Amino acid sequence: EAGVAQSPRYKIIEKRQSVAFWCNPISGHATLYWYQQILGQGPKLLIQFQNNGVVDDSQLPKDRFSAERLKGVDSTLKIQPAKLEDSAVYLCATRWAPGELFFGEGSRLTVL
Amino acid sequence: EDQVTQSPEALRLQEGESSSLNCSYTVSGLRGLFWYRQDPGKGPEFLFTLYSAGEEKEKERLKATLTKKESFLHITAPKPEDSATYLCAVTTGNQFYFGTGTSLTVIP
Repeated sequence: EAGVAQSPRYKIIEKRQSVAFWCNPISGHATLYWYQQILGQGPKLLIQFQNNGVVDDSQLPKDRFSAERLKGVDSTLKIQPAKLEDSAVYLCATRWAPGELFFGEGSRLTVL
Repeated sequence: EDQVTQSPEALRLQEGESSSLNCSYTVSGLRGLFWYRQDPGKGPEFLFTLYSAGEEKEKERLKATLTKKESFLHITAPKPEDSATYLCAVTTGNQFYFGTGTSLTVIP
């Protein structure tokens, strides 16, 4: 079974530039999460989708972050404009039913 | 406020020296507690799910236990390849709350 795919794995940008991350979930997993993990910290939820609808985006900085999930499958997370404090690993996770999350390898963002 | 606290933040063990990692939580309506392993530059990898107090799960040198307020991850006779960050997470249904992790280093 293929895992959660994320790209790009690494991205370096200047502050105020924009960046987009892509996630392809495990086939059949209806629930998709984007997490932000700052070095030395645990993952922090940004947004949760159930199919293509948003379940929880209460911690998403909506002035600069946006996310969508097309047709309930792939998802993109965009940051525009980026700030220095956005430097982190962005993790996509999916879930089929009540149970564990399956994570991708993450996309590491460095904002200079 | 729902919270997950892990201790210690970092742990250095000699190969073969057994120890335990702690995860304490304060959430309403626990629906499950999860342990993950995270290697540098990788996403978290699922280890165990525990659902009710008294439950135990084992995998190789790892054993996870759960009480009403905390969980322990026991590592028996660790090897250098067990070096990683171990994350604890709890769920109340849809929401997952993660701790900050314990960074384990096993010295040969």
